[in-house]
Amino acid sequence: QKEVEQNSGPLSVPEGAIASLNCTYSDRVSQSFFWYRQYSGKSPELIMSIYSNGDKEDGRFTAQLNKASQYVSLLIRDSQPSDSATYLCAVRNFNKFYFGSGTKLNVKP
Amino acid sequence: GAVVSQHPSWVICKSGTSVKIECRSLDFQATTMFWYRQFPKQSLMLMATSNEGSKATYEQGVEKDKFLINHASLTLSTLTVTSAHPEDSSFYICSARDLGSEETQYFGPGTRLLVL
Repeated sequence: QKEVEQNSGPLSVPEGAIASLNCTYSDRVSQSFFWYRQYSGKSPELIMSIYSNGDKEDGRFTAQLNKASQYVSLLIRDSQPSDSATYLCAVRNFNKFYFGSGTKLNVKP
Repeated sequence: GAVVSQHPSWVICKSGTSVKIECRSLDFQATTMFWYRQFPKQSLMLMATSNEGSKATYEQGVEKDKFLINHASLTLSTLTVTSAHPEDSSFYICSARDLGSEETQYFGPGTRLLVL
């Protein structure tokens, strides 16, 4: 079982819709959770981090964490074509980071 | 957010030569840096964890004598690909962990290596 699991997609949503990206992790003692966006040919860039159960909002992005279910998600409101990218979920477990393989998001104009 | 730079951004070299890639944290100190490799349309693959002042920790299957890592200061780590071959051509990305920011990992822009 992988440490971090993501659906590879592609996830296609129309412009203006809400995109919902999901991630599950295997280790209950994981402490910190991150979402990164990676455009084709570029390195990942940090979108959001979340450490406590519940929701965390930053502009059009909302991260949701449910430690009991070992589940973290990212919602993108009012999706734009420029949001089309691969989204990586990452989990920190003490000194180790684990990355999911990423979900490819396509936002259609 | 914190800024991590990499140099060079791309490099083309002949088979058998060595290539050094630098990774710098510009506005924070990083006791730990990570080196990743990514082939086209594939996910990030962690190669090694670089610890300031000590030996790097390599992931299984990564040859430590081929991929030399040095982390001599709190803001600089280097990766040297020794005797590079065409199969080493890849996108090499470093990241640095900011202890002051809930240990968030920030990525450099990456170095594209092409070995002819």
